[in-house]
Amino acid sequence: GQQVMQIPQYQHVQEGEDFTTYCNSSTTLSNIQWYKQRPGGHPVFLIQLVKSGEVKKQKRLTFQFGEAKKNSSLHITATQTTDVGTYFCAGRGSNYQLIWGAGTKLIIKP
Amino acid sequence: ETGVTQTPRHLVMGMTNKKSLKCEQHLGHNAMYWYKQSAKKPLELMFVYSLEERVENNSVPSRFSPECPNSSHLFLHLHTLQPEDSALYLCASSRTGGETQYFGPGTRLLVL
Repeated sequence: GQQVMQIPQYQHVQEGEDFTTYCNSSTTLSNIQWYKQRPGGHPVFLIQLVKSGEVKKQKRLTFQFGEAKKNSSLHITATQTTDVGTYFCAGRGSNYQLIWGAGTKLIIKP
Repeated sequence: ETGVTQTPRHLVMGMTNKKSLKCEQHLGHNAMYWYKQSAKKPLELMFVYSLEERVENNSVPSRFSPECPNSSHLFLHLHTLQPEDSALYLCASSRTGGETQYFGPGTRLLVL
């Protein structure tokens, strides 16, 4: 079946360093969505990318959708403690349902 | 955020108990979902309902029984659960399948 692989599983960074998480799909996606789950919270929608090669920015967050619409990335510049949490990608597959990545947990080193 | 509510927020139950989780969405959405989230498998889709019909059942054991009486309400009936079923159970809704999902706060379940 369709799968979305997300790496890394964890990333430890010093506050102020950058963070990146990557998602790769086995098949072409019609869109990809990104969600953030704070510790103890629930996933919250961040953004949706639809077009091939699309790049969107939200302050320090940059989201990209690959040309083949099979991969995506989220890059955070100069991480802050408020960025802590798990970031999930979810791609819309051929059956119109979302296929979720396993998530990348962002941990800020003390 | 009060678009999707879940009750109870916490539940402790024995393996012989029967309990139900409730989810309600106030967003006018047509699709609702149950997810299981545990340390071993971050986000597992259990059931999908679209226009009150179950459209997906991801090989979930029969001790979990979903019910969708209308497009605003979703239940998960639990009976004879196992300790490995302890997890956070999340409900979500979306306008239609594949669109942005809005999650409830979850029910943290502990099976003793």
